[in-house]
Amino acid sequence: TQLLEQSPQFLSIQEGENLTVYCNSSSVFSSLQWYRQEPGEGPVLLVTVVTGGEVKKLKRLTFQFGDARKDSSLHITAAQPGDTGLYLCAGGPGAGKSTFGDGTTLTVKP
Amino acid sequence: GAGVSQSPRYKVAKRGQDVALRCDPISGHVSLFWYQQALGQGPEFLTYFQNEAQLDKSGLPSDRFFAERPEGSVSTLKIQRTQQEDSAVYLCASSARHDYGYTFGSGTRLTVV
Repeated sequence: TQLLEQSPQFLSIQEGENLTVYCNSSSVFSSLQWYRQEPGEGPVLLVTVVTGGEVKKLKRLTFQFGDARKDSSLHITAAQPGDTGLYLCAGGPGAGKSTFGDGTTLTVKP
Repeated sequence: GAGVSQSPRYKVAKRGQDVALRCDPISGHVSLFWYQQALGQGPEFLTYFQNEAQLDKSGLPSDRFFAERPEGSVSTLKIQRTQQEDSAVYLCASSARHDYGYTFGSGTRLTVV
């Protein structure tokens, strides 16, 4: 069974601060996805990383896939209240399905 | 449609009742997934279809749970004789290529009382 551990579980910061959240596993993944989920909605895909060492940028968000394809990080620069949400990482496929971590709940205060 | 559509959005069932949850995926998406999300946790895999074939149902918690996708588009997740521990959000997702991520619906929140 592939397990993904996300840290921290909760993060509360002020608008304008930078932050990094982590996704770690003992298993190798062929690809890894990051999603953001808001209350009452389904997760929304932010990015997919597939190559060890890969770095992708999405405006103020920077995603990195570890060289060994076992871990990933999400860095947000100058966080805004609109970044508030549950950030989930997911690894796969394991025979067609993805395994999700339990997420990091981010609150950005104005 | 433009996105994945799930209905109903909310369902309250009395313990012992049967429920049916519907998922209408993005047109042309071959892969369809059902996940269960408990409060404060990440989604947990239930089952996976490729077209009409159910390729993996290893995550279904018991034989009270049944899913189908008879024509390779709309899918239904059925839960028989609901119990309180079935209370959760049930998420449906579809993908043209599952290793590149999913498009999720808004989910059905099931509350068993």
